[in-house]
Formats: sequence, C-alpha cells, structure tokens
Amino acid sequence: GQNIDQPTEMTATEGAIVQINCTYQTSGFNGLFWYQQHAGEAPTFLSYNVLDGLEEKGRFSSFLSRSKGYSYLLLKELQMKDSASYLCAVRARSNYQLIWGAGTKLIIKP
Amino acid sequence: KAGVTQTPRYLIKTRGQQVTLSCSPISGHRSVSWYQQTPGQGLQFLFEYFSETQRNKGNFPGRFSGRQFSNSRSEMNVSTLELGDSALYLCASSMGDSGNTIYFGEGSWLTVV
Repeated sequence: GQNIDQPTEMTATEGAIVQINCTYQTSGFNGLFWYQQHAGEAPTFLSYNVLDGLEEKGRFSSFLSRSKGYSYLLLKELQMKDSASYLCAVRARSNYQLIWGAGTKLIIKP
Repeated sequence: KAGVTQTPRYLIKTRGQQVTLSCSPISGHRSVSWYQQTPGQGLQFLFEYFSETQRNKGNFPGRFSGRQFSNSRSEMNVSTLELGDSALYLCASSMGDSGNTIYFGEGSWLTVV
C-alpha cells in the first residue's frame, strides 16, 4: 500500500533549529513536496525534491533520500510565525496523483 | 497573475441539501484537484481533473462529484449533505506534469446543520 508518516506534533523554541521527518512507501516516485499550512488557511508551497540531496531556500531546507524513502524539512532560526502544520506529499505514480501525509503541527515557544 | 480563486468562501447548508463549489485555476493551469480537510486533519483527496477528464479519484462516496470545463474552471458537487460533510474544501491547480507545484485556493468553508 501507499503510506506517508510524519510526527503528529513537535515543539521547538524561538531561534532554535527543528527537523521534521517524513517517511514514505509509495508505488513509484515522481517527487516530494513540503507545504506549510497556518490554522484556517490554505497550504502554501515550501519545497520540491526529486533527486537525492539537500535543497536550501533561506531559513528552510529539505532533504531527500530515495533509497530510504525518507525526507526531512529543516527550519533554522525559528520565528513565532513558523508555528503551523507542515505537510509532506509524494507524487507516487505516473498518473501524477499526490499522496499526502497527515501533517506535523509545529509549536514554537518563546 | 491571479491565484486560485474559490467561491463561495463560506456557506451553511441543511442536511439533505446539495451544494456546488467553484474553482478558477491559475491561468494556464490545466489540472485542478479537490481536497476535503476537517479540523485537525490532513488533506483528504477527492478527485483531480486534467483537460476536462477525471484523472484521479479518491475514496469518497458517489455523493461527491466534479467536473472541469474547457476553460479549466472546475466545480464540485455534494448531494444529500450529511453533518460529516462539514469541512474546508480546497481546490489546487497546477500545469499537470509530475514536477509541477500545486497551488491552493483559500478554500470554501462548508457547514452542514
């Protein structure tokens, strides 16, 4: 079957670094996405990985290992506004369907 | 460039009624996907349309249906509404190829009473 696992909730301190993990088991692989969703709002795109390695974009970085079915989102210099849910999604099959994880709720404390 | 537009933003319906939600994708985007999200839950995939054809379908009952028009605008319909259908309905558009980012609209909040 197809499955994506993320921790349900994480807590971190303002100014610190946090790593949100995502593991997946899907039929085929055509890329992995990370989205941020603030409460009551629509998800917004953060990153896309299709090849192994680290993609850096400002305070946010995303890593992918296709052989391990594993990705992580790294957030540096945490700010209070980073409190949100972070969604991992894998485009699994040649029909382009996205499979979504349940999301990780990140709580930032002062 | 305008983003994904969904209408209406908020609506209240009674059990047994039906509802139609509309989505206008980003100009040039040919794929439109629909998702249901209940409070504290992840995204539940409803269906995806690409060039007026349903390309993928989630595990929702037949009361949930959709369509896409030649201008890529899409509608979804829910018939015989149930209390459990109360949710945020999100529409997302993309060019439709594997590496393309999908962009979400602000969603339609449906409350069934």
